[in-house]
Amino acid sequence: GENVEQHPSTLSVQEGDSAVIKCTYSDSASNYFPWYKQELGKRPQLIIDIRSNVGEKKDQRIAVTLNKTAKHFSLHITETQPEDSAVYFCAASESASKIIFGSGTRLSIRP
Amino acid sequence: EAQVTQNPRYLITVTGKKLTVTCSQNMNHEYMSWYRQDPGLGLRQIYYSMNVEVTDKGDVPEGYKVSRKEKRNFPLILESPSPNQTSLYFCASSRIGVGDSYEQYFGPGTRLTVT
Repeated sequence: GENVEQHPSTLSVQEGDSAVIKCTYSDSASNYFPWYKQELGKRPQLIIDIRSNVGEKKDQRIAVTLNKTAKHFSLHITETQPEDSAVYFCAASESASKIIFGSGTRLSIRP
Repeated sequence: EAQVTQNPRYLITVTGKKLTVTCSQNMNHEYMSWYRQDPGLGLRQIYYSMNVEVTDKGDVPEGYKVSRKEKRNFPLILESPSPNQTSLYFCASSRIGVGDSYEQYFGPGTRLTVT
């Protein structure tokens, strides 16, 4: 079955700097790759997603890149702000029913 | 307001005492799932349902049951809870792909402690 590995598990960056979180997946049939943000004590919420027929997608300060050949995808956050502090999860899926999540990255933004 | 609700939000129980966590969504979504979240392990899918009366096992189904008698409800049942089921549980729903997204809408979570 699908396996998703996520690195790093914790990340601390200076406010204003960029943050990058990386994930690899094992199942070449996966075609949908979402990223979720979970603030402390809250539920996970989708922040950006990408399909396998697209190599990159941007939404303001966040972007996701996908390398299908290498089976890895990354989340990039530029000009980080205090409200970016949260746990981020990547995931991979080939359908709406079965989604495999990574183990999460705790991002801290230093003032 | 479009939402996924879960009850109870917090539950402390003892080993072996059957319990049910309810989940309901008002978005007419076809897909519903249950996840457990444990430190360092991320979100692991327990069961999912693609529509009424259609359910299937996720990655960690042992010790859990589900049912989908109505489209809006997807209860999680622990027939004989054990301490290793102490966790934070999330219910989620999603629609059959609108555009390119399979966005999961999560409930607020249920923190379960089994002593």
